[in-house]
Amino acid sequence: GAVVSQHPSWVICKSGTSVKIECRSLDFQATTMFWYRQFPKQSLMLMATSNEGSKATYEQGVEKDKFLINHASLTLSTLTVTSAHPEDSSFYICSAEMDRLNTEAFFGQGTRLTVV
Amino acid sequence: AQSVAQPEDQVNVAEGNPLTVKCTYSVSGNPYLFWYVQYPNRGLQFLLKYITGDNLVKGSYGFEAEFNKSQTSFHLKKPSALVSDSALYFCAVRDRGQGNLIFGKGTKLSVKP
Repeated sequence: GAVVSQHPSWVICKSGTSVKIECRSLDFQATTMFWYRQFPKQSLMLMATSNEGSKATYEQGVEKDKFLINHASLTLSTLTVTSAHPEDSSFYICSAEMDRLNTEAFFGQGTRLTVV
Repeated sequence: AQSVAQPEDQVNVAEGNPLTVKCTYSVSGNPYLFWYVQYPNRGLQFLLKYITGDNLVKGSYGFEAEFNKSQTSFHLKKPSALVSDSALYFCAVRDRGQGNLIFGKGTKLSVKP
């Protein structure tokens, strides 16, 4: 199957700093990429949807100025957590789709963010 | 509105026994249905999908699922569980050709030797 690579796998940062997470589709062009947040023992919460070359669409309640998403190419999307605080600590997962009609989404390995 | 229900938080099975992880869904149109598995601190791995055709879908690692339109269910099954199947399983649905994936809350499968 298609491969989505997410980097880093884990990161620890100090409060007030920014962290960038990369999501790459390695062997296909992703028309759409998604960013999720997962709390312990809970399901995935969709944060935003991004299409290459256009602004991301954020879900209700997600601060777009805090969670900056850039989808510069058909194989790369980045999520930057700006001015991170301990409550931003979570597991972040990206996914990518080739087309919206009849294929499954492919997921990155996830990034464990810890803000101290 | 689309929704997915996984009624069991946890399923416990002895190794070698059959397993079932339940999923029911609600969509306004025809559904695309998916099962994913998540191991600790990892992303989701695709197991299988129902798009159209045969109601019984076979997927990775010996898993299968049956689409039941009348019961709006898509239960995940495996004839003989392995300890290595222990993980978190997510059912997901998309209204055909539209919208984002909607995930269930997940079911933790524990297979004991």
